[in-house]
Amino acid sequence: QQQVKQSPQSLIVQKGGISIINCAYENTAFDYFPWYQQFPGKGPALLIAIRPDVSEKKEGRFTISFNKSAKQFSLHIMDSQPGDSATYFCAASRHDNYGQNFVFGPGTRLSVLP
Amino acid sequence: DSGVTQTPKHLITATGQRVTLRCSPRSGDLSVYWYQQSLDQGLQFLIQYYNGEERAKGNILERFSAQQFPDLHSELNLSSLELGDSALYFCASSVGPENSPLHFGNGTRLTVT
Repeated sequence: QQQVKQSPQSLIVQKGGISIINCAYENTAFDYFPWYQQFPGKGPALLIAIRPDVSEKKEGRFTISFNKSAKQFSLHIMDSQPGDSATYFCAASRHDNYGQNFVFGPGTRLSVLP
Repeated sequence: DSGVTQTPKHLITATGQRVTLRCSPRSGDLSVYWYQQSLDQGLQFLIQYYNGEERAKGNILERFSAQQFPDLHSELNLSSLELGDSALYFCASSVGPENSPLHFGNGTRLTVT
């Protein structure tokens, strides 16, 4: 129940194309869903996040789609660029009085070809 | 820059040794998390502290321990090191109970020879 599944494991997209990464969760107590981008040798950096009371959030070329009933959410990268080549992690968290419990997906390695 | 500072950036040591990794969270963040990332692997949650108290434990070995000090900085102690402990160790911080993102440092790369 604590797992977050993520697919695909790796993704190759042509420059200008759309990159789509999917995640699924089981625990309905999760109430915050961030996406992180990680470049080699660097720490993961927050890309975009969504709460379950909205179905979509867009920031620039990055969009999260959220389907609460299916317990699924996805990241869409429009007009993908070579600079987007990185590993992407989805995550889900729930909070209590003492902090948040984050569960990360296994990651997707994205390669955008020039 | 996430505002989370980790030192040292690199650490090379021998098997059987003990090391301490240090993390300074973002100003105002009460929660500190430690993660391990082995080569080309995902983020393995080790332990979480909130305002000085241990809050959650993940897959942390008994040879590993951590603490969060009154000034909110945290240290991760790794002892009796083995070759398999070689990895990137990340610290992350967040504000606290309410939904807020984790902010990661750039990690400490540990190499055990």
